[in-house]
Amino acid sequence: GDSVTQMEGPVTLSEEAFLTINCTYTATGYPSLFWYVQYPGEGLQLLLKATKADDKGSNKGFEATYRKETTSFHLEKGSVQVSDSAVYFCALRNTNAGKSTFGDGTTLTVKP
Amino acid sequence: DTGVSQNPRHKITKRGQNVTFRCDPISEHNRLYWYRQTLGQGPEFLTYFQNEAQLEKSRLLSDRFSAERPKGSFSTLEIQRTEQGDSAMYLCASSPLPAVEETQYFGPGTRLLVL
Repeated sequence: GDSVTQMEGPVTLSEEAFLTINCTYTATGYPSLFWYVQYPGEGLQLLLKATKADDKGSNKGFEATYRKETTSFHLEKGSVQVSDSAVYFCALRNTNAGKSTFGDGTTLTVKP
Repeated sequence: DTGVSQNPRHKITKRGQNVTFRCDPISEHNRLYWYRQTLGQGPEFLTYFQNEAQLEKSRLLSDRFSAERPKGSFSTLEIQRTEQGDSAMYLCASSPLPAVEETQYFGPGTRLLVL
């Protein structure tokens, strides 16, 4: 079945540091890929998505490129802020637009 | 558009009791999903509806769990004879169209603690 593997956390960075959170997936067919963010005390929010190979999703300075050859969708940001502290989830949706399959999440803490 | 709402936000119950959660999706969203999230893990799929039809159920959804969406609008998730292992955050999501690329919009969740 489908699966998503995220780099283990937690990740602690200083403000303005470069961020990479690795995500790889296993899926048949042509899934869409998503990054969701969960801020403390809040629900999951879509951060960005990519629906086909080589697409780049971007939002709020975050980027991720759908790499079919390496089955990856790594999240990057050039300069993190304290307000980026949250849990980040990589996810995929496959055929029939049913369930999403999520990774276990990576907790990011950004220190001033 | 007020977003997906879930009630209650928190529920504490004793083992063996029944509990029911409610989810109100974004208006006119046809698809409604239920997930369960335990500490340190990502959400796990439970079931989803297309309008009032329940299209898929996970093996996680034992016979103690039942979900309904009677009029294709709000949905309820009932857990009968709760067990301590049912303690988790129960998330509801909705999406407007049945497309793989369509975004799912999540509610704030209902946190269940079974004593």
